[in-house]
Amino acid sequence: SQQGEEDPQALSIQEGENATMNCSYKTSINNLQWYRQNSGRGLVHLILIRSNEREKHSGRLRVTLDTSKKSSSLLITASRAADTASYFCATDANGVGGSSNTGKLIFGQGTTLQVKP
Amino acid sequence: KAGVTQTPRYLIKTRGQQVTLSCSPISGHRSVSWYQQTPGQGLQFLFEYFSETQRNKGNFPGRFSGRQFSNSRSEMNVSTLELGDSALYLCASSLGTTVGPGELFFGEGSRLTVL
Repeated sequence: SQQGEEDPQALSIQEGENATMNCSYKTSINNLQWYRQNSGRGLVHLILIRSNEREKHSGRLRVTLDTSKKSSSLLITASRAADTASYFCATDANGVGGSSNTGKLIFGQGTTLQVKP
Repeated sequence: KAGVTQTPRYLIKTRGQQVTLSCSPISGHRSVSWYQQTPGQGLQFLFEYFSETQRNKGNFPGRFSGRQFSNSRSEMNVSTLELGDSALYLCASSLGTTVGPGELFFGEGSRLTVL
């Protein structure tokens, strides 16, 4: 079963607006990551937030993590048409102490974002 | 620094055939992971190799196998192809030495169509 579940599944906004995507997960984690995928292409890493962090910024991206609710959100501010893509959250498989699982991520189903010019 | 390179990018096979996909990781990365992406199941972990050893395996049948060479390049093989194996196969590399998953660097993928 999926570790991360994302909401909404699809989001359509106008350029300049903010986009918020949410992710929920089931087990304890070491960190949570967000990736972007342009149609049919490979995934690009956006940001990683560790379990002891609550908020992290990178350019127009803001990620929050609430480990008590097992949820995270990704906010893209002042969106651009080039932000049109699918966004995935990903968590490690075995949680805290799972030192051998460095390459194993469990991905959510993703949010498809369309930014209209 | 060159990114992760996957070959071939596209391929078409028929049921019952086998296929081998190749992945060259970023120089210095010792971990290579493979993922299958389909519209129905999303992104699913296949396996991870680190220093030529399979370190993790997902829940896929034995028809799916892989290996890693001493230069960290990796191949995955799918035997006796089924229609349901049609997917985008993604390879990702990382240093592989952090506790818990660090950032993965993905290739553009190999899109397999099984007819």
